[in-house]
Amino acid sequence: RKEVEQDPGPFNVPEGATVAFNCTYSNSASQSFFWYRQDCRKEPKLLMSVYSSGNEDGRFTAQLNRASQYISLLIRDSKLSDSATYLCVVGGVERFGAGTRLTVKP
Amino acid sequence: NAGVTQTPKFQVLKTGQSMTLQCAQDMNHEYMSWYRQDPGMGLRLIHYSVGAGITDQGEVPNGYNVSRSTTEDFPLRLLSAAPSQTSVYFCASSYEGTLNYGYTFGSGTRLTVV
Repeated sequence: RKEVEQDPGPFNVPEGATVAFNCTYSNSASQSFFWYRQDCRKEPKLLMSVYSSGNEDGRFTAQLNRASQYISLLIRDSKLSDSATYLCVVGGVERFGAGTRLTVKP
Repeated sequence: NAGVTQTPKFQVLKTGQSMTLQCAQDMNHEYMSWYRQDPGMGLRLIHYSVGAGITDQGEVPNGYNVSRSTTEDFPLRLLSAAPSQTSVYFCASSYEGTLNYGYTFGSGTRLTVV
């Protein structure tokens, strides 16, 4: 099993839709988690940290489920500008998922 | 606000050549890393440094060397380029390590080895 696994997608959704991605991790001792966004041929940019209590930033909500060892990212009211690849990261051990590609269509 | 600066942006090497990818940050971050990104494989850690004078190997260190003589600079050396090293290379820095803080990435170096 890979240390960090993501559904590669692509997820194709209409504008205004709600979409969720999951990311599973194998090391139960992992302490910190992040979501990054990467646009085509650009560098990854930190989107948000994932706290045990969950984390919300506008239309974005990140959750951690330690029992099942996954983190999730929920995007509400999708915008065309949300089209990108979303990478999950296990902090401390520096393991990135391969990314989930999202395309938001008009 | 330069952030993390990588040079060059593009490079073509012949098999067996050596070169250095430069990385500099102006945020006084202690933690710096080098990643490579290949299609379908995500980012893989090559080497990292927790401070000046300290470096360590990551997931895929073979064929690469690093040094950290100053807080600001973290160059990556390819010793003898191979086609398998064709990739996009990202340098990243973090305030105190990524247990509690995310990374700031440079814009990347696209390397092709022929």
